[in-house]
Amino acid sequence: DTEVTQTPKHLVMGMTNKKSLKCEQHMGHRAMYWYKQKAKKPPELMFVYSYEKLSINESVPSRFSPECPNSSLLNLHLHALQPEDSALYLCASSQGTSGGYTDTQYFGPGTRLTVL
Amino acid sequence: KNEVEQSPQNLTAQEGEFITINCSYSVGISALHWLQQHPGGGIVSLFMLSSGKKKHGRLIATINIQEKHSSLHITASHPRDSAVYICAVTPPYGGATNKLIFGTGTLLAVQP
Repeated sequence: DTEVTQTPKHLVMGMTNKKSLKCEQHMGHRAMYWYKQKAKKPPELMFVYSYEKLSINESVPSRFSPECPNSSLLNLHLHALQPEDSALYLCASSQGTSGGYTDTQYFGPGTRLTVL
Repeated sequence: KNEVEQSPQNLTAQEGEFITINCSYSVGISALHWLQQHPGGGIVSLFMLSSGKKKHGRLIATINIQEKHSSLHITASHPRDSAVYICAVTPPYGGATNKLIFGTGTLLAVQP
């Protein structure tokens, strides 16, 4: 199984709502990533988790709150978002082995978020 | 100037044509990745390479480390190859949680 799943596929929310995006993989990967992608732009890295610990936060506003409850699951909690946060949110995972080895990242299909 | 540049930005081809997409980078790398993204969809990793050449089906990727350049070739192109192709590199310090530096992508349309 080389699949990363994301739910929901689409999400529309108001600026005062609280919602969560979910990402799951069962490949035994120990590194998981959140990316944000605006239309016709490459993905922008938001967060990286390694062995369930946050290892990289790319200066993301606090209205985005990541959580990694276990090695298979990654959540992104959303609160008080702005319309400019509307984008495709992609999750990815990689083997996450140590020693400088570079891994292939496996991407999920994304959640299309619209903030009204 | 972006650290990873791709050319062309847009490419239209006729079915059956041989296609080349180029990627140049200005930073040191531990690996280069070619990714494919269909409209509205997720991203699929096509290749990860640090030297030489890799082939998978009709796709071939090459890299020249000295010249900091990589090419993605598609032989016998088909309309289903229509997608955005993204070049990305992993810096040498990437390690287990490797950050990707993305190029801006090449939008390929293959017409029947």
